[in-house]
Amino acid sequence: GIQVEQSPPDLILQEGANSTLRCNFSDSVNNLQWFHQNPWGQLINLFYIPSGTKQNGRLSATTVATERYSLLYISSSQTTDSGVYFCAVDLLPGANSKLTFGKGITLSVRP
Amino acid sequence: KAGVTQTPRYLIKTRGQQVTLSCSPISGHRSVSWYQQTPGQGLQFLFEYFSETQRNKGNFPGRFSGRQFSNSRSEMNVSTLELGDSALYLCASSLNGQGYGYTFGSGTRLTVV
Repeated sequence: GIQVEQSPPDLILQEGANSTLRCNFSDSVNNLQWFHQNPWGQLINLFYIPSGTKQNGRLSATTVATERYSLLYISSSQTTDSGVYFCAVDLLPGANSKLTFGKGITLSVRP
Repeated sequence: KAGVTQTPRYLIKTRGQQVTLSCSPISGHRSVSWYQQTPGQGLQFLFEYFSETQRNKGNFPGRFSGRQFSNSRSEMNVSTLELGDSALYLCASSLNGQGYGYTFGSGTRLTVV
């Protein structure tokens, strides 16, 4: 099946710093999403981004589908950005979609 | 609008018992997917239901089953619980399971003792 690799596995930042999280995938994908898992376990959808670039406040994401990678940028990080960031993809166009997740990147933002 | 609601939030069960978890999707969403999250295996797809039919299934034993009702609410059942079934179970709803716009619930944390 498809492989999804995220790097780095752990990241420690000082508040106010910028960071880049990477997601590589081994096959062409129909969908790619970035999620943030909060301390209570809920997965919050950050971006649906199978290709191109999107921005939402301090966060932005870019997916280069032809080169099979996606990047999540966090600027001016805050302590509330701490948590685990997951990249998830699915292969199938149309119905019967299922998400394959990477192992996640644990981000700690220190005050 | 209300989000995805999973109940219960926490559950402790004994080996050999069975358990039923519930998921109410966002109003109007007809697809419900279930995922298991463990420290060792990460997030893994269990199954997806659409209009009361299971459309896709992950690589889990038959002890894991589910169903979906006419109002799109879904339940998953795990029979003959094993210690390894301890996990966070997450449910996601989407309009039609086309692979975009997944919204996840807060999960049910199951502990098997």
